[in-house]
Amino acid sequence: GQNIDQPTEMTATEGAIVQINCTYQTSGFNGLFWYQQHAGEAPTFLSYNVLDGLEEKGRFSSFLSRSKGYSYLLLKELQMKDSASYLCAVRFRNSGNTPLVFGKGTRLSVIA
Amino acid sequence: DTAVSQTPKYLVTQMGNDKSIKCEQNLGHDTMYWYKQDSKKFLKIMFSYNNKELIINETVPNRFSPKSPDKAHLNLHINSLELGDSAVYFCASSQKIAGASEQFFGPGTRLTVL
Repeated sequence: GQNIDQPTEMTATEGAIVQINCTYQTSGFNGLFWYQQHAGEAPTFLSYNVLDGLEEKGRFSSFLSRSKGYSYLLLKELQMKDSASYLCAVRFRNSGNTPLVFGKGTRLSVIA
Repeated sequence: DTAVSQTPKYLVTQMGNDKSIKCEQNLGHDTMYWYKQDSKKFLKIMFSYNNKELIINETVPNRFSPKSPDKAHLNLHINSLELGDSAVYFCASSQKIAGASEQFFGPGTRLTVL
């Protein structure tokens, strides 16, 4: 089956660094995505990992370890506008059709 | 320019009614999706269409019927609405269904069933 776990809520201080973890168990793996969703808005794409290692994009980085079924999203120099839910999503193999399965999201609150 | 658009943005209706939500994307993508996000913010795939053909149909009651008149449009019709259908419904599209194709989401339709 596909089971994706991430913490429900996190709080961090403006200017700090925060790491949001995601673990997954799947019958197959074909890539992991991170999305950001502000309250009342649509999810927006942040990053994609399919090979082990770190992908960096400005203040945001995402790491993947396929052998451990583990990923994290690292946010640096936190800003108040980073307060949002962060969704981990895994693409699994299923007879050629590969839907995206989302975790329940981590709600990040950035405080002054 | 709106990449993925949905109408209506809000929909309030009585139990038992039939309603439709429309979705259009102007990105030239081949694949479109419908997701349901419930009150606990859990985003779950309902359907996926590739070039107007249904390729994914998760465990969704058959009261929900998607229709894709062309690859830029994927509409969702819901019959005999129930209280549990209240949620935000997101349409999305991607260039392909596999690989690194990110999904672009529409603004969502908040459905409230009374």
